[in-house]
Amino acid sequence: DARVTQTPRHKVTEMGQEVTMRCQPILGHNTVFWYRQTMMQGLELLAYFRNRAPLDDSGMPKDRFSAEMPDATLATLKIQPSEPRDSAVYFCASGFWQVRTDTQYFGPGTRLTVL
Amino acid sequence: GENVEQHPSTLSVQEGDSAVIKCTYSDSASNYFPWYKQELGKRPQLIIDIRSNVGEKKDQRIAVTLNKTAKHFSLHITETQPEDSAVYFCAAGDSENAGGTSYGKLTFGQGTILTVHP
Repeated sequence: DARVTQTPRHKVTEMGQEVTMRCQPILGHNTVFWYRQTMMQGLELLAYFRNRAPLDDSGMPKDRFSAEMPDATLATLKIQPSEPRDSAVYFCASGFWQVRTDTQYFGPGTRLTVL
Repeated sequence: GENVEQHPSTLSVQEGDSAVIKCTYSDSASNYFPWYKQELGKRPQLIIDIRSNVGEKKDQRIAVTLNKTAKHFSLHITETQPEDSAVYFCAAGDSENAGGTSYGKLTFGQGTILTVHP
């Protein structure tokens, strides 16, 4: 049963520190999404990639967030410098897109706390 | 862009009763509508989905209906059980644009907290 994996599962850091979250999509999937979940905002799309190319990162604060896919098996989301308002659960999801929108499978999430 | 509204935000039912959650969407070109269930501290998991070429889909105790004209879709859970207690999210899939390129995004509703009392 293939699953999306994410590391770390939990991260506590101090304001101003750099945070890097990693995601391994399901093998063969060509689309990777990064979401942020908070009680107030629900599930927000931050950025997504298709065939490793960024398609849309309009949901990310550009001054401090960056997302990359160094290869087909790894996606990263980086926050530098981190702020307390970045505290949330960050989910990665992957899917296979061909012609039409299709199912997204979520990873277990990274729970980030910025003190 | 797409906008998805979900109601109610909380729903409390007795075990064995039915539960209905409703969503409306704004982009008439959206053509994919999944529902996710998220238990406390866990990842969202797909429970059922429907495409715009069908009006209803069932899977055991859960069903989804779609009204494209009115731009709304609903999740129906029958014979609810305590293990159905979770947050349920609806979503609408981004469509092909005029240039024929589908971006494959999902826009999520705000979620419904379902509590099933034994």
